[in-house]
Amino acid sequence: KAGVTQTPRYLIKTRGQQVTLSCSPISGHRSVSWYQQTPGQGLQFLFEYFSETQRNKGNFPGRFSGRQFSNSRSEMNVSTLELGDSALYLCASSFLAPDTDTQYFGPGTRLTVL
Amino acid sequence: QQQVKQSPQSLIVQKGGIPIINCAYENTAFDYFPWYQQFPGKGPALLIAIRPDVSEKKEGRFTISFNKSAKQFSLHIMDSQPGDSATYFCAVASAGTALIFGKGTTLSVSS
Repeated sequence: KAGVTQTPRYLIKTRGQQVTLSCSPISGHRSVSWYQQTPGQGLQFLFEYFSETQRNKGNFPGRFSGRQFSNSRSEMNVSTLELGDSALYLCASSFLAPDTDTQYFGPGTRLTVL
Repeated sequence: QQQVKQSPQSLIVQKGGIPIINCAYENTAFDYFPWYQQFPGKGPALLIAIRPDVSEKKEGRFTISFNKSAKQFSLHIMDSQPGDSATYFCAVASAGTALIFGKGTTLSVSS
């Protein structure tokens, strides 16, 4: 069974630009969550999607947005990039919900903002 | 306000030692307490998880101890090996909510 895949793996952008990251969950998984990981703040929850609807949202500014498609694939978008957005962005999927089923993480997208 | 506090930040043990990582939480509504392991360049992977109806759970060399009254839970790694060197995260969640992670503990097991 293929794991969670994320593309691209590495990305370099400049301040003010926008970026879109993609996540393909494990086949059959309907819940997709996104996290930002930085050395100082650790793993911070961005949002969770289930059946194309945002089910939970973390405490991030509106510049961070996401969506989920009917095949459960998900994208997250960051507009007007800031230097502080440099981080590893992790996608995770679970069958129904992260608190009832094992949540599997992808390898992440390393975003560098210059 | 940090909803889950993890300690220590880093830990060095000898091979065969028993590292212990602790987490404390405030919200009594939390009912799911997993531990994740992360190697460099990889995403975190679920190691073991516990619900509040039991006080201990073992899976192989990994044990979670849970103290509901103290609102604390800990991970014990028996007979630690150099291959256990990684970053460990505790997390908490309640029904229908996302996982909230601790800040992580970097474990080094020397041979």
